[in-house]
Amino acid sequence: DTEVTQTPKHLVMGMTNKKSLKCEQHMGHRAMYWYKQKAKKPPELMFVYSYEKLSINESVPSRFSPECPNSSLLNLHLHALQPEDSALYLCASSSEGSSTDTQYFGPGTRLTVL
Amino acid sequence: GNSVTQMEGPVTLSEEAFLTINCTYTATGYPSLFWYVQYPGEGLQLLLKATKADDKGSNKGFEATYRKETTSFHLEKGSVQVSDSAVYFCALSPGAGGFKTIFGAGTRLFVKA
Repeated sequence: DTEVTQTPKHLVMGMTNKKSLKCEQHMGHRAMYWYKQKAKKPPELMFVYSYEKLSINESVPSRFSPECPNSSLLNLHLHALQPEDSALYLCASSSEGSSTDTQYFGPGTRLTVL
Repeated sequence: GNSVTQMEGPVTLSEEAFLTINCTYTATGYPSLFWYVQYPGEGLQLLLKATKADDKGSNKGFEATYRKETTSFHLEKGSVQVSDSAVYFCALSPGAGGFKTIFGAGTRLFVKA
């Protein structure tokens, strides 16, 4: 099973809402990633977890809050977002995060902030 | 620093045409190089990779060779199909600290029947 699943597929939220994105993998991978992708742009790294510990935070605003409850699950909690945060949010995982590792991506959550 | 430059798109080809998408990189140390593909409405998936100089990655008729002397990793396919229409991202993963994959801007390919 080389699948990364993400829920929900689509999300519309107001600027005062609180919502969460969920990502799951069962490949035994120990590195998990959140990316943000705007239309016609490459993915931008937001966060990396390695062995369930936050390893990289790419200066992401605090209205995005990641959580890694266990080695298979990754959440992204959203609060007080802005319309410019509307984008495709991609989760990925890799074996350990070495330079030769392939990243496996989920299908993404399409987020619209009104 | 590390960076990836790939050719601007979109690229429009007829079915069975030859495809080349150019990719060059700047990196310190010994990076691994990747091509990822993103089909409409989907996440990225690995197309092929090469982890050291002179390695050739290949998959589904696509090929790319890791050329250290020209710092290039050009993607080629001898005969494209309509189903190859997608966005192609060249990427590198630094030799030290593999978490921060650097992606090129992406090249959109349209293949006409």
